Amino acid sequence: GENVEQHPSTLSVQEGDSAVIKCTYSDSASNYFPWYKQELGKRPQLIIDIRSNVGEKKDQRIAVTLNKTAKHFSLHITETQPEDSAVYFCAAPRQLTFGSGTQLTVLP
Amino acid sequence: DAGVIQSPRHEVTEMGQEVTLRCKPISGHDYLFWYRQTMMRGLELLIYFNNNVPIDDSGMPEDRFSAKMPNASFSTLKIQPSEPRDSAVYFCASSPGQVSNQPQHFGDGTRLSIL
Repeated sequence: GENVEQHPSTLSVQEGDSAVIKCTYSDSASNYFPWYKQELGKRPQLIIDIRSNVGEKKDQRIAVTLNKTAKHFSLHITETQPEDSAVYFCAAPRQLTFGSGTQLTVLP
Repeated sequence: DAGVIQSPRHEVTEMGQEVTLRCKPISGHDYLFWYRQTMMRGLELLIYFNNNVPIDDSGMPEDRFSAKMPNASFSTLKIQPSEPRDSAVYFCASSPGQVSNQPQHFGDGTRLSIL
């Protein structure tokens, strides 16, 4: 079946530093790679996504990069702020499988 | 756009009782998903529908779980009889197109506690 591995499971950074979360997938047919953010007690919400025809996409402080050859994609958050503290999930392939999540803590 | 609406938000019941969770997807979305989230197992897909037809129910844990989608604006997830290990947050999500290339929109979830 489809599989996705997400690392790290927890990540603590100082406010203003960058954070990177990586997901590796197995299905080479996948062509859509979203990232979701889930704040404590809330629902997962899409924050950024990328399709396989591009290698990088940015939205203000958030970016996603995709390496189809190596079958991995990463979430990059720059200039982190306390409100970035949450659990982040990748989803792939074909969105029926979610990564195990990364608990990001931004320390003031 | 009201988003995906789930009810109830919280449910506490005793083991053996029947539990029914409800979901109203975003109007016009063709896909509907039911997920279960626990600390141990993360976010698990239970079942999903396309145009009201169940497509993949391989994630449904056992016969005690059943899901229906009688029309495009309503779905239920039923557990009968419920057990303490069913305690979790259950999310419903909908998507406007093929799951392989469209984002999912999640409801606020139902926090289920089975005593």
